[in-house]
Amino acid sequence: GQNIDQPTEMTATEGAIVQINCTYQTSGFNGLFWYQQHAGEAPTFLSYNVLDGLEEKGRFSSFLSRSKGYSYLLLKELQMKDSASYLCAVKDSNYQLIWGAGTKLIIKP
Amino acid sequence: NAGVTQTPKFRILKIGQSMTLQCTQDMNHNYMYWYRQDPGMGLKLIYYSVGAGITDKGEVPNGYNVSRSTTEDFPLRLELAAPSQTSVYFCASMVREAGELFFGEGSRLTVL
Repeated sequence: GQNIDQPTEMTATEGAIVQINCTYQTSGFNGLFWYQQHAGEAPTFLSYNVLDGLEEKGRFSSFLSRSKGYSYLLLKELQMKDSASYLCAVKDSNYQLIWGAGTKLIIKP
Repeated sequence: NAGVTQTPKFRILKIGQSMTLQCTQDMNHNYMYWYRQDPGMGLKLIYYSVGAGITDKGEVPNGYNVSRSTTEDFPLRLELAAPSQTSVYFCASMVREAGELFFGEGSRLTVL
């Protein structure tokens, strides 16, 4: 079957750095997405990786290793507004998105 | 641009009632999706459409129906509401297969 694994919850301190991991087993691979979802709101797009390596976008970076079925989202200079759930999703060979359950990130002052 | 618009935002149904969740997008996207999200769970695909007149089942289609008569609209119909359908429903669209998803604000449905 197809599976996306990410930690259920993480806690970090304001101003620090946190890495959220995602491992996947899917039927084919056509890209990996990270979305941010604040409580009670819709997911919003953060990043997209289709080739191995690191993609940097401001305070957020996303890394992909296709051979290992692994990605991480790196958040730097954490702010209180970064408290949210972070969803990892993989597009399979049929271009269908397979979603992880999300990682709830709690930022403490 | 309004993006993806869903209505209603909140609804309480009695068991056995029917209703339609409306979804409209003004971005001329071909691909549209309906997801449900239960607490602590990932998004589950209910139905999707790759263009007007074409719909297909996702992972959890039972108890739901859809239609896609125009590019803009993709309504989701619940025929006989059951408590198991209590969830938050998201409509989403994207311009092409490799693109990002744009989500509506969500519709919170409770079946009692």
